[in-house]
Order: sequence, then C-alpha cells, then structure tokens
Amino acid sequence: EIVLTQSPGTLSLSPGERATLSCRASQTVTNNNIAWYQQKPGQAPRFLITGASTWAAGTPDRFIGSGSGTDFTLTISRLEPEDFAVYYCQQYGSSAWTFGQGTKVEI
Amino acid sequence: QVQLVESGGGLVKPGGSLRLSCATSGFRLSDYFMSWIRQAPGKGLEWISYISGGSDTIHYADSVKGRFTISRDNAKNLVYLQMNNLRADDTAVYYCTRANFGFDYWGEGAQVTVSS
Repeated sequence: EIVLTQSPGTLSLSPGERATLSCRASQTVTNNNIAWYQQKPGQAPRFLITGASTWAAGTPDRFIGSGSGTDFTLTISRLEPEDFAVYYCQQYGSSAWTFGQGTKVEI
Repeated sequence: QVQLVESGGGLVKPGGSLRLSCATSGFRLSDYFMSWIRQAPGKGLEWISYISGGSDTIHYADSVKGRFTISRDNAKNLVYLQMNNLRADDTAVYYCTRANFGFDYWGEGAQVTVSS
C-alpha cells in the first residue's frame, strides 16, 4: 500500500498568513490521484481538491493544490479564520486507497 | 441534493457483529463507487472499503479484510457494511462516502463502540 506522510504535524499561523502543507507518498501516485480534505471538530471532512490541483465544487481559490509523482502540496494563500482545521491528503491511484495522518493548522 | 445517511451503529461486545446501512438520495447510485471510512476517537481518517457501481470491484483495507463485507442495493439506494468479529480497535465513527476522484460527499457518520 502507498503510505502518505504529511508534514508538519501542526502549523501555528495567524490569519492573513500563508500555509504550506506537505504530503509525501512512499511511491509514485498514478495520474497524481491525490485529494485534499478539511475537517473541523465534530464535522465530517470537506472535499477540497481532486487530481492534486483541481478545485472541488465550492472550494475557495485561496486553496491551491500542486505537485506530482510523490510530492504534493496544499497551499492556503491567505488564512481566513474559518481555515483553522485539520487537513488530510488521500490517494486513490492504487487499489488500496490511503490517507495521510493529517496536518493541524492552528492559530 | 446529494444526501448520505448512515444508520445501524451502536454498542457491541468484542467478537460481536453490526451492520451499517447508508441511505443515499439525490443521485443515481449505480453510477458511483461508494466507500466506507472510519475515524477512531482523536485519530485520523482511515479508508476501509470501496465497492464499484455494479459490485464487480471491491477492496478492503488489511485491517478489516476477512471481517468486514461491503455490499449495495442500487434499486433501494442503499450501501451496507457488515462488520463481524469486532474488536476494541474498531471503535470509531464510520462515514459513508461517495467516491468520485476523491470522496466528494460524506454522511454525518455512525458511532460504533466495541466494549465489554
């Protein structure tokens, strides 16, 4: 199975700052089949990005996905107060889908 | 609009069984892969199984293989997860999701607690 390692574990930032979240795969992800999710306490995750860089419906354009092969990044260009949450990457390029362990973005 | 509603969660003893159901609406179920994902208390997300629209492709995570069975009834707009031989580490919120190049819709989750 493909193991996804997210870093850092926690990112402490202020509103208006840029957040850069990393997701590294243990092997090449076919067709860059990487998705990103946001989860707030007590809520189901929200789908943000598909295909490494394509916005899901309703995703604000301050969320930017990039990367290829084994290294992927989610950038939040200017943090809004509602962006403080946990973010997960996920791959669907192999028959066994997997998630990263998450990055918490906190104030 | 798309809705996914899980039911069937609860408290069960180790070694016991539960069947989760996911009632879907707002889309043609047969057109989509569906998946179950769980989240243990205070932990991250874990994909556990998916099933293709025609039930011809099914995969499981190693952690549940041989104990859990995913199935679907497209005519009834339902997806199921049969969970047998449950263990304490199966305690989690179980989410039903639609798989569409990622998990684009999620239910609110069903709590499953395995404890004696």
